[in-house]
Amino acid sequence: DQQVKQNSPSLSVQEGRISILNCDYTNSMFDYFLWYKKYPAEGPTFLISISSIKDKNEDGRFTVFLNKSAKHLSLHIVPSQPGDSAVYFCAAWPSGTYKYIFGTGTRLKVLA
Amino acid sequence: NAGVTQTPKFQVLKTGQSMTLQCAQDMNHEYMSWYRQDPGMGLRLIHYSVGAGITDQGEVPNGYNVSRSTTEDFPLRLLSAAPSQTSVYFCASSYATLQGPTRNEQFFGPGTRLTVL
Repeated sequence: DQQVKQNSPSLSVQEGRISILNCDYTNSMFDYFLWYKKYPAEGPTFLISISSIKDKNEDGRFTVFLNKSAKHLSLHIVPSQPGDSAVYFCAAWPSGTYKYIFGTGTRLKVLA
Repeated sequence: NAGVTQTPKFQVLKTGQSMTLQCAQDMNHEYMSWYRQDPGMGLRLIHYSVGAGITDQGEVPNGYNVSRSTTEDFPLRLLSAAPSQTSVYFCASSYATLQGPTRNEQFFGPGTRLTVL
């Protein structure tokens, strides 16, 4: 049972446009949500996070939105740059545990 | 700071062999974890530790052992390798408290690509 789902395995966007990556979850006990970026042959790196008590967090070109009623979060990248081409994982941290749960990832390709 | 280091980078094993994947961090993080990444499966938690002497199972612990004798090191042992354990393995670390993470960001190592024939 996949508690964190990224239903789009890939996404292509033109440079300068907005990239929107989506993530759905089923467990309402998640305390935090995080996005990680991964380049080939490297480990994932942290991008941005959001607490379950907030609905938006912004960091430069990256904004994460959380819709608790829909159990949905999204990552917006504006403007998209070719260096943003990578695999993006959303992750969730369930309350009272130490067990991160990751989604399956979305491969973003930003076209120059 | 070196961050999170993993050795080896690549390894090929025969079915039934055992080996240890090494992981070390120099950030004094309490929390350390091991993941495997498989195509279409994302990152799945194998084992984790919230401090020296404390370990627990994640989502896919079968066939793997861990121990945490120091804050810095968290080795992952494959007891009897099977082809199903062919994967890329990542070690990660972060701060942690008993009330949950004070800072949620995990720092990942570069990974170990393991092939079991």
